Amino acid sequence: GNSVTQMEGPVTLSEEAFLTINCTYTATGYPSLFWYVQYPGEGLQLLLKATKADDKGSNKGFEATYRKETTSFHLEKGSVQVSDSAVYFCALSSYQTGANNLFFGTGTRLTVIP
Amino acid sequence: KAGVTQTPRYLIKTRGQQVTLSCSPISGHRSVSWYQQTPGQGLQFLFEYFSETQRNKGNFPGRFSGRQFSNSRSEMNVSTLELGDSALYLCASSPGDRDEQYFGPGTRLTVT
Repeated sequence: GNSVTQMEGPVTLSEEAFLTINCTYTATGYPSLFWYVQYPGEGLQLLLKATKADDKGSNKGFEATYRKETTSFHLEKGSVQVSDSAVYFCALSSYQTGANNLFFGTGTRLTVIP
Repeated sequence: KAGVTQTPRYLIKTRGQQVTLSCSPISGHRSVSWYQQTPGQGLQFLFEYFSETQRNKGNFPGRFSGRQFSNSRSEMNVSTLELGDSALYLCASSPGDRDEQYFGPGTRLTVT
């Protein structure tokens, strides 16, 4: 079946620190992988995606590489800002198996302090 | 383009009542999915509609139902509300021919 395992939080970093949030997955077929971000009181925003092995998704300084050999999609950012404080969700899509639904990890809360 | 909109944003209901939530997708998107978010269970898929047909369903009881209209707007209904139905209900839309989904702000349902 499909599942996503995500690094437990919370994570607290100082501004300009390096961020890594680990994500591994189990899937049938060849899923697409996503990172979504949720700010307080809001829905989910698509941060980045990758659709096949070795693809790198990037957006707003965040990046993640689809690693099929390690079934991983770790999120990284070189220098975090206070405005990056949010909850981050790793997800995979089963679209290629004919069902368009996302499987989410448990979320990692990031707090960036000045 | 306007994003996904959901109404109402907040709702308080009493156990045993029923509730209907509404979602308007991004213009041109034909697929609408619904998710339930709770602190204990996280984000769980409820169902997906594409061109007025339910294409996929998650593992929820029959009290949870939905429909999609010809303009792609969707509603979900929960009957005989239970305290455990208190959650943030998120709607997401997709063009239908690829897998990325765009989420609305959610409806926060509180059951007392």
